[in-house]
Amino acid sequence: AQSVSQHNHHVILSEAASLELGCNYSYGGTVNLFWYVQYPGQHLQLLLKYFSGDPLVKGIKGFEAEFIKSKFSFNLRKPSVQWSDTAEYFCAVNAGYGNNRLAFGKGNQVVVIP
Amino acid sequence: DAGVIQSPRHEVTEMGQEVTLRCKLISGHNSLFWYRQTMMRGLELLIYFNNNVPIDDSGMPEDRFSAKMPNASFSTLKIQPSEPRDSAVYFCASSLRRGSTDTQYFGPGTRLTVL
Repeated sequence: AQSVSQHNHHVILSEAASLELGCNYSYGGTVNLFWYVQYPGQHLQLLLKYFSGDPLVKGIKGFEAEFIKSKFSFNLRKPSVQWSDTAEYFCAVNAGYGNNRLAFGKGNQVVVIP
Repeated sequence: DAGVIQSPRHEVTEMGQEVTLRCKLISGHNSLFWYRQTMMRGLELLIYFNNNVPIDDSGMPEDRFSAKMPNASFSTLKIQPSEPRDSAVYFCASSLRRGSTDTQYFGPGTRLTVL
């Protein structure tokens, strides 16, 4: 079974600081990779996704993620965070053909201090 | 475009009562997923359907939970009888399954409180 690991569950940083959230997965085959964001009291929204091609993916709100196949990683980055980026961030992995079930990580709670 | 629609948004009920949660898929989507989110357990997949057919219900907690897709655009999740430990936010998500790519879009959720 696939598993997804997200470390540093709670992250606190100041506005304008850079953010990097790690995501590692266990599946060895072809994967589809996602980052979702959940703002306080809201539902999950798609931030960005990777299916194939350029391993550096740009998403909404200035976020980007890099797929490194050799490290089984899909880390999320933002160079300069804003208070409005306070949210929980979930990494998710799907094992491609034959299975459209997503495996989610436990999430990173990010708090940006103004 | 309308996203995934869920109703009700909030439900408060008493232990032992039947609860029915509803979900309308994004038009044209053919896969439907029910999730439950709690502080303790995080986000859990309960069941998912492809083309109205249940594919994996291994996440359904017990027989008190049942899910159906009476048509291609609508699903219900029923809890009978409900218990306080069922209190959670229930999300449904839909996707268009084609080949190996599949992106799930989430609804606003139903916050269920069982007293």
